[in-house]
Amino acid sequence: KAGVTQTPRYLIKTRGQQVTLSCSPISGHRSVSWYQQTPGQGLQFLFEYFSETQRNKGNFPGRFSGRQFSNSRSEMNVSTLELGDSALYLCASSLTAETEAFFGQGTRLTVV
Amino acid sequence: EDQVTQSPEALRLQEGESSSLNCSYTVSGLRGLFWYRQDPGKGPEFLFTLYSAGEEKEKERLKATLTKKESFLHITAPKPEDSATYLCAVQGNTPLVFGKGTRLSVIA
Repeated sequence: KAGVTQTPRYLIKTRGQQVTLSCSPISGHRSVSWYQQTPGQGLQFLFEYFSETQRNKGNFPGRFSGRQFSNSRSEMNVSTLELGDSALYLCASSLTAETEAFFGQGTRLTVV
Repeated sequence: EDQVTQSPEALRLQEGESSSLNCSYTVSGLRGLFWYRQDPGKGPEFLFTLYSAGEEKEKERLKATLTKKESFLHITAPKPEDSATYLCAVQGNTPLVFGKGTRLSVIA
């Protein structure tokens, strides 16, 4: 059974640019969540989607947005990139919002 | 506000030297407590889910336990391949809240 797939694995962007990250959940999983991981802050919740609806949003600026498609695949977008956005972005999928989440390998974003 | 505190931040063990990692939490209406293992540059790998005080789960050299205020991850006779960061997370009425992890190093 295939796991959670995130693309791309690595990305280098310049300040002010925007970026789109993609996540394909485990087949049958309808809940997808996104997290930002940095050495200082640990794993911080960005958003959670279930059946194409955003159910929760973390405490991040409006530059961070996301969506989920009918096939449960999800994308997140960051506009007007800042140096502080450099991080490992992780996607996790679960059967429901209350069951264990399985993570992808992440996208390492570096903003220069 | 849901909170998770993990201790110690880092732990260095000799191979075969058993120990425990601690996860203290405050949460409104615990729906589940989760343990993950994370290797450098990779996503967290799911280990256990605990739902109620008194519950225990085991997998190879790892055993997770849960009380009303904390969870322990016991590592028995660890091997170098157990070296990783171990993350604890709680699910309450809000999305998963993670602790900052315990970085475990097991020396041969």
